[in-house]
Amino acid sequence: NAGVTQTPKFQVLKTGQSMTLQCAQDMNHEYMSWYRQDPGMGLRLIHYSVGAGITDQGEVPNGYNVSRSTTEDFPLRLLSAAPSQTSVYFCASRVGGASTSTDTQYFGPGTRLTVL
Amino acid sequence: SQKIEQNSEALNIQEGKTATLTCNYTNYSPAYLQWYRQDPGRGPVFLLLIRENEKEKRKERLKVTFDTTLKQSLFHITASQPADSATYLCALPGGTSYGKLTFGQGTILTVHP
Repeated sequence: NAGVTQTPKFQVLKTGQSMTLQCAQDMNHEYMSWYRQDPGMGLRLIHYSVGAGITDQGEVPNGYNVSRSTTEDFPLRLLSAAPSQTSVYFCASRVGGASTSTDTQYFGPGTRLTVL
Repeated sequence: SQKIEQNSEALNIQEGKTATLTCNYTNYSPAYLQWYRQDPGRGPVFLLLIRENEKEKRKERLKVTFDTTLKQSLFHITASQPADSATYLCALPGGTSYGKLTFGQGTILTVHP
C-alpha cells in the first residue's frame, strides 16, 4: 500500500491564482481530512469528509473548497490564493466508524505552498 | 472553546535520560487522547492512544499517562536516543464529529549525544 499520497510536494503561486492540491489513499478509509500547519500554530483542520459525497468544514475553511466523489480521492481547491494561505498542507485518512480503536489518522507527506 | 497546550516549544535532553512532554487541555472531556511524532518535512505518525478510563499506556520505551481530573497527559520517552529527536504532537477528538482531531502546537524534542 502507498498509504496517503499528496501532490505536488512544493508549489509557488501568485496572489489570485487558483490551484488544486491532490490527495489520494489506497487503504479504503472512509474518513479523510485536510490540515494546514503553520509555525507555532500546530495543525488546524480545514475540511473533512466522512465518506464519498459528504464533506464538512473544519476550523479554518475560508478560501478552500473540497469535494469527495470517490473513496480514494479528496482534493483541496484554493479558489483565489492569498499570502495568508502560505503553509504546509497535510491530508489524512482513517477508518470510518465511532470506535476509538479506529481513530488513528494516517497522514500524507505534505504539500509546501508559498503564495507571493 | 476547547484548547490544547503543550508545555514547551522545545525540550533538550541528554542521551539516556527520560524525556517528559506535557499536554494540557481545557473546556473539554475527551474520550481519549493521541500522541503523534513528526519528523522535519514529513507528516505526523501515530504513536499511542490512551482512553479516558486508562491511567497509563506503554509501548516499548514510550509511556503515556492520562489524568482526566487534571486535564493533562504526560508523554515519557525513557532511555532517550538521538533518533528520538522530533516534534511530538498531542491530539484530542474534535467533539462529536468523528474523524476530526484537534492538535496541540507540538514540542520539539532534541536528544543530544
